[in-house]
Amino acid sequence: QVQLVQSGTEVKKPGSSVKVSCKASGGTLSSHGVSWVRQAPGQGLEWMGGIIPIFGTTNYAQKFQGRVTITTDGSTSTAYMELSSLRSEDTAMYYCARDVDGMECTGGSCVNNYAMDVWGQGTTVTVSS
Amino acid sequence: SSELTQDPAVSVALGQTVRITCQGDSLRTFYASWYQQKPGQAPILVIYGKNNRPSGIPDRFSGSSSGNTASLTITGTQAEDEADYYCNSRDSSGNHVVFGGGTKLTVL
Repeated sequence: QVQLVQSGTEVKKPGSSVKVSCKASGGTLSSHGVSWVRQAPGQGLEWMGGIIPIFGTTNYAQKFQGRVTITTDGSTSTAYMELSSLRSEDTAMYYCARDVDGMECTGGSCVNNYAMDVWGQGTTVTVSS
Repeated sequence: SSELTQDPAVSVALGQTVRITCQGDSLRTFYASWYQQKPGQAPILVIYGKNNRPSGIPDRFSGSSSGNTASLTITGTQAEDEADYYCNSRDSSGNHVVFGGGTKLTVL
């Protein structure tokens, strides 16, 4: 069973960048997409963006467009999320998760499904002067 | 703001049945998935697709959908089910992902 292991706690100054890693253990990332999700203290889950490693294609939430870059290294089965121009509001827990896209068909009718079936343990990023 | 709408809080008596709902346009073309998150822990997937449970998820958790509304039902709620529950799906374009704002479940 694949596990996602994230890098450790980060403390950053406003205006700087942070790069968080997410390594697949017990499997590879190549056959699934990877999403990054963040959770500010006391708040809900927020999708930042995702990547499909086999194609190298990325999609980013409009809120983070221009500030976030998601990449993968197939040789190490590791995904990365880099967030730039950090501000205090970026203080949050950052999670990676494996995407599973599919379709379920019943009686000739098909519906898309999507889930994040494996999550990393989370990386705390604190932005403070 | 979330494109999927959830009630912020729901309570249920121990052993009773509770339903948590999630509404949004994307649910007309995508099934919702449901996640349980306990304090200080990463979310875990509890329901995906029409009504599928990952290995290790108790069968008291079930899912359903109708139109633009998805529901997570917990039958015979246990104390350990007290948690935040989130729904998500791809958006209507299929390229992005949307989350509901989360529902805090209290077991009385």
